[in-house]
Amino acid sequence: ETGVTQTPRHLVMGMTNKKSLKCEQHLGHNAMYWYKQSAKKPLELMFVYSLEERVENNSVPSRFSPECPNSSHLFLHLHTLQPEDSALYLCASSQAGVEETQYFGPGTRLLVL
Amino acid sequence: SQQGEEDPQALSIQEGENATMNCSYKTSINNLQWYRQNSGRGLVHLILIRSNEREKHSGRLRVTLDTSKKSSSLLITASRAADTASYFCATVFSGGSNYKLTFGKGTLLTVNP
Repeated sequence: ETGVTQTPRHLVMGMTNKKSLKCEQHLGHNAMYWYKQSAKKPLELMFVYSLEERVENNSVPSRFSPECPNSSHLFLHLHTLQPEDSALYLCASSQAGVEETQYFGPGTRLLVL
Repeated sequence: SQQGEEDPQALSIQEGENATMNCSYKTSINNLQWYRQNSGRGLVHLILIRSNEREKHSGRLRVTLDTSKKSSSLLITASRAADTASYFCATVFSGGSNYKLTFGKGTLLTVNP
């Protein structure tokens, strides 16, 4: 798990709060991902960054805003979330164009009250 | 839906027994991957099998792929209590972006000591 780290590991926020999730990869990869994992549902791909450019935005509500300042760091900025946004948010990285395997962080468990 | 579907949804076995999980999908793939997730944690890549391969082994894991039936199976031999986890198949579809993994809902495996 030290290859991809995520902070915080747990987060409780109210619907009017603004918070950010952070992901860092130490694998030298050039692509990073945000996934949402809700109970009883498959993993949902939210955003993909390849070479620091966003290449995928899977119809995610604007209350989720990603940021990729460099190939090692990925943020997910959260504001005015809804209770149904409570989930495990997973970050992953890969070497785009070379290897399809993705390496996941431990996730941030988010609870929106 | 293009996503893979694992079967069964849950499987409970005794330590030392073999565990078999199946995955079916609906469209042509480039490769199929199996991941493992311990409760509330990140996913760990187990094995990748390409569309032109029929079987792969990794330690106690054996994966088969039948592209004519659009199905794959994951066999864990001589199971251990530490194998208790959720197992997901993920597919990369032909003609799709090679970074885009589509996950199933997973099989929850419980290995009783």
